[in-house]
Amino acid sequence: DAKTTQPNSMESNEEEPVHLPCNHSTISGTDYIHWYRQLPSQGPEYVIHGLTSNVNNRMASLAIAEDRKSSTLILHRATLRDAAVYYCILRASGYSGGGADGLTFGKGTHLIIQP
Amino acid sequence: GAVVSQHPSWVICKSGTSVKIECRSLDFQATTMFWYRQFPKQSLMLMATSNEGSKATYEQGVEKDKFLINHASLTLSTLTVTSAHPEDSSFYICSARVGQIQETQYFGPGTRLLVL
Repeated sequence: DAKTTQPNSMESNEEEPVHLPCNHSTISGTDYIHWYRQLPSQGPEYVIHGLTSNVNNRMASLAIAEDRKSSTLILHRATLRDAAVYYCILRASGYSGGGADGLTFGKGTHLIIQP
Repeated sequence: GAVVSQHPSWVICKSGTSVKIECRSLDFQATTMFWYRQFPKQSLMLMATSNEGSKATYEQGVEKDKFLINHASLTLSTLTVTSAHPEDSSFYICSARVGQIQETQYFGPGTRLLVL
């Protein structure tokens, strides 16, 4: 999988928008951009994913740069419950049919929300 | 959304004993599940890929005879840590893939293992 780069940590205030950046300059044309988050002492949780166009769901928005070399996860109104480690992961489309297809987690961004 | 459960949520055992962790997909069938391990203040590391009806595929450095994986049905995969030692103490997390193209994965809540 292509490599991603994220800031180690970010801090934001409650009820304000949060923009979490991710750089992926070696992304290939078939790589999807996935975001997961992990709350303390829990398994990771799927947040959102996209390929080229910006995506919105009930949890967040994903803004993808035109050249696809970077993306930004947007939490529109952060709450204390959004405090977690956020992982940006690239996955090639398609299914290899076997072997190790698990996700490769980097260190992610530790998001701290101040009340 | 897809729900994955794990049992037990935590376990404490003596060194030398074996521990079995179950991973279930509750509202969907999963031909492929994954097992991860996470040490304190570190990221998740993939241990193995569990395929229904066939042998698991292990990541480099993971001992297949120590971490036994059985994927007996489309909704259940088990990880058995055999002859556990204190260095096996960790947070074990399973996931199941939903969809074959965009490969979204849904994770269980994790099992915390402490070996004394």
